[in-house]
Amino acid sequence: LAKTTQPISMDSYEGQEVNITCSHNNIATNDYITWYQQFPSQGPRFIIQGYKTKVTNEVASLFIPADRKSSTLSLPRVSLSDTAVYYCLVGEGKLIFGQGTELSVKP
Amino acid sequence: DSGVTQTPKHLITATGQRVTLRCSPRSGDLSVYWYQQSLDQGLQFLIQYYNGEERAKGNILERFSAQQFPDLHSELNLSSLELGDSALYFCASSLTLGQGNPGELFFGEGSRLTVL
Repeated sequence: LAKTTQPISMDSYEGQEVNITCSHNNIATNDYITWYQQFPSQGPRFIIQGYKTKVTNEVASLFIPADRKSSTLSLPRVSLSDTAVYYCLVGEGKLIFGQGTELSVKP
Repeated sequence: DSGVTQTPKHLITATGQRVTLRCSPRSGDLSVYWYQQSLDQGLQFLIQYYNGEERAKGNILERFSAQQFPDLHSELNLSSLELGDSALYFCASSLTLGQGNPGELFFGEGSRLTVL
């Protein structure tokens, strides 16, 4: 079971790009990497998922290096509404959310 | 609207009591996950069911039990309740693609349990 490690918190300003890195050193060969966003008192919401290299959708990009031992979620031009907790998950089955990264976006 | 329905939304009960939380997954999703989130705490994985069978288990207390029924809805039973069981309980569902890919998890709005 791959354990993930993320920064506990990050601060940013509106309009900046934010990169949150997650470490998952013992990721298994088949494991996918998935990122979620959670606002207070709400269930997490899917942001993006990838297996290798780079994945981009309308809200974020996910960068995965060749060794797949880490991944970076990139949020372009954040706004105040992006203030939330961000979690990275690895694999399937026993999906552990970990501590997550509390992102605070300031005006 | 995620398509996942959880009932009840709020529940207040006393210590020592037993409650049942219910979850209806999105149409077509075979997997159901249960999570517990206490105040200012992260999401604690409790258990996963896939097509009626238990597939993965977290640090779920012996006082807690769950099952997934043939129509794929799931119930989480919490008994001998303690003050520390007060939390938001989330259910999520997914298609579960397998081979390391859980698919996208869709979360319900949660059931807020308060134990007095």
